[in-house]
Amino acid sequence: DVVMTQTPVSMSVSLGGQVSISCRSSQSLVHNNGNTYLSWYIQKPSQSPQLLIYKVSNRFSGISDRFSGSGSGTDFTLKISRVEPDDLGVYYCGQGTQYHTFGAGTKLELK
Amino acid sequence: EVQLVESGGGLVQPGRSLKLSCAASGFTFSNYYMAWVRQAPKKGLEWVATISTSGSRTYYPDSVKGRFTISRDNAKSSLYLQMNSLKSEDTATYYCARTTEGTVDYWGQGVMVTVSS
Repeated sequence: DVVMTQTPVSMSVSLGGQVSISCRSSQSLVHNNGNTYLSWYIQKPSQSPQLLIYKVSNRFSGISDRFSGSGSGTDFTLKISRVEPDDLGVYYCGQGTQYHTFGAGTKLELK
Repeated sequence: EVQLVESGGGLVQPGRSLKLSCAASGFTFSNYYMAWVRQAPKKGLEWVATISTSGSRTYYPDSVKGRFTISRDNAKSSLYLQMNSLKSEDTATYYCARTTEGTVDYWGQGVMVTVSS
């Protein structure tokens, strides 16, 4: 099974600031077809998760360019710039290269 | 607008069965692999099952294999999860999920399943 490890577990940020969340997989997420199926999701309080980024760096429909994803192989990063109140919640990375597994989440709070 | 609406959750005793349903709308249901993902109270996300577009192929993690069965009815744009031999550790919110490009692009609002005597 592919294990996804996210760091940090939680972080606090000031509005307008920038944050980075790291995600590491226990094995390469490069699929046989050459694609890397690494996604980022946000779960706001009392809501379902929502897709932010797919295939490492592709923003989902309607997602602000303040969100950016990068990485390759086993190491990936989500960056959020100019943090807004609506960005607060728990962020999950997830892989879809070998079925699906998710990281444990990173809680983003206001400083 | 893509909509996924789950139903069928509730309180069930250990060892009993429960069947969840998901009504899909706003897209061509038969074109997409579908999945169930669950979230135990105050915990992270766990993939539970995936089904191919035709329903001919299904996939499960070891934690539910042999106990859960995913199925679909493309004519009704509906997804199902039959859960047998339920355990307390199956207590969770269950999300119906549309999958594409190795990701879950849409999630339902979730349905709560509580396994307790």
